[in-house]
Amino acid sequence: DVKVTQSSRYLVKRTGEKVFLECVQDMDHENMFWYRQDPGLGLRLIYFSYDVKMKEKGDIPEGYSVSREKKERFSLILESASTNQTSMYLCASSFRQGAHAGQPQHFGDGTRLSIL
Amino acid sequence: GQNIDQPTEMTATEGAIVQINCTYQTSGFNGLFWYQQHAGEAPTFLSYNVLDGLEEKGRFSSFLSRSKGYSYLLLKELQMKDSASYLCAVRDKGRSQGNLIFGKGTKLSVKP
Repeated sequence: DVKVTQSSRYLVKRTGEKVFLECVQDMDHENMFWYRQDPGLGLRLIYFSYDVKMKEKGDIPEGYSVSREKKERFSLILESASTNQTSMYLCASSFRQGAHAGQPQHFGDGTRLSIL
Repeated sequence: GQNIDQPTEMTATEGAIVQINCTYQTSGFNGLFWYQQHAGEAPTFLSYNVLDGLEEKGRFSSFLSRSKGYSYLLLKELQMKDSASYLCAVRDKGRSQGNLIFGKGTKLSVKP
């Protein structure tokens, strides 16, 4: 079974802090993703990575950065946390497309982040 | 542009059949996924359609019509544990790496 592990289920931080959310997958997937999920807005893509040290902006990258130093690990960084970044953060991974077109993204359990 | 629409909420009775619709607009359709998400948990993969027609998996089936930009998820013999949100997601060739666009999800409540 695919396992996507996020480092924390719940996290509380203060405004202005630098926050790190970590994600590890064990399926040798090339692609990794960070989403946030808010009521009424659904899942929105923040950043994704299709290879080590490669990253691309998703739909809402402002206020975030990412790091992918190893294939299995993808980190989301909030440079200076703000209250509007209070949300559920979900990490996902998948094989690169092409021959794996029908392969789904597999999600971690999520981190519920509160910024006070 | 890119847009996915699905109903916000639905209610159904245990043992019944429910159909959750999803309509989409994309610049280059390349597959549609359905996910189930229980409250406070990760989304889990249910089905994938890329060609027109019906895909059946036990109590769950998913249908696709590419010409209509339309899909539905059919749940039969509803059980209480089917109470969850159901997410429709489309792969668009116009997006980098064919990334998914998610609908806002349909919250299904199954009542006794």
